Amino acid sequence: DTAVSQTPKYLVTQMGNDKSIKCEQNLGHDTMYWYKQDSKKFLKIMFSYNNKELIINETVPNRFSPKSPDKAHLNLHINSLELGDSAVYFCASSQVSLIDGYGYTFGSGTRLTVV
Amino acid sequence: DQQVKQNSPSLSVQEGRISILNCDYTNSMFDYFLWYKKYPAEGPTFLISISSIKDKNEDGRFTVFLNKSAKHLSLHIVPSQPGDSAVYFCAASVHSNSGYALNFGKGTSLLVTP
Repeated sequence: DTAVSQTPKYLVTQMGNDKSIKCEQNLGHDTMYWYKQDSKKFLKIMFSYNNKELIINETVPNRFSPKSPDKAHLNLHINSLELGDSAVYFCASSQVSLIDGYGYTFGSGTRLTVV
Repeated sequence: DQQVKQNSPSLSVQEGRISILNCDYTNSMFDYFLWYKKYPAEGPTFLISISSIKDKNEDGRFTVFLNKSAKHLSLHIVPSQPGDSAVYFCAASVHSNSGYALNFGKGTSLLVTP
């Protein structure tokens, strides 16, 4: 009964390919996110959607395109993959407000390796 | 420009003793602070949080202290247990009505030895 599930867990692909990572949450949260953890273990926000609307879009190459068909899903599509895209990508969700103090609920991550 | 810094990449503590993990931040606009715990091959899981209007929050063995003037927070784990061995991330945010971005530190790897 996973709260935030992302697939696939591992993805190995060649440079230049296009790939997608899917994310779904069953928590009824309003907001979903994509974070990237690079080789230095630094977790950095990429995108945030609130009720299917893009609200945070950090400096990310436009080869990365998030898509939110509904508020329970936020997929990440990556075009023309490069070696530097290799990282662990985490999906997360939250209520809009921090009032309850729980922050995000994260998925288990997708380890992307570009060869 | 890293706004949240965890300067100790690792920490080793004996079981039963206190673990103290430290975190510094540079953005004075941050008004909410959280600690996350991460095991290998899993996503980070929420541990404890504190709002900027408080200086201490306690939840069982975990206590977070906030010193706003020093822009410093710390997580105390007492007593430490081997199951606490994990990477701990400090995070900070500026709250808004349209969602918020968590700014993470690089993490501190805690090892609790029996």
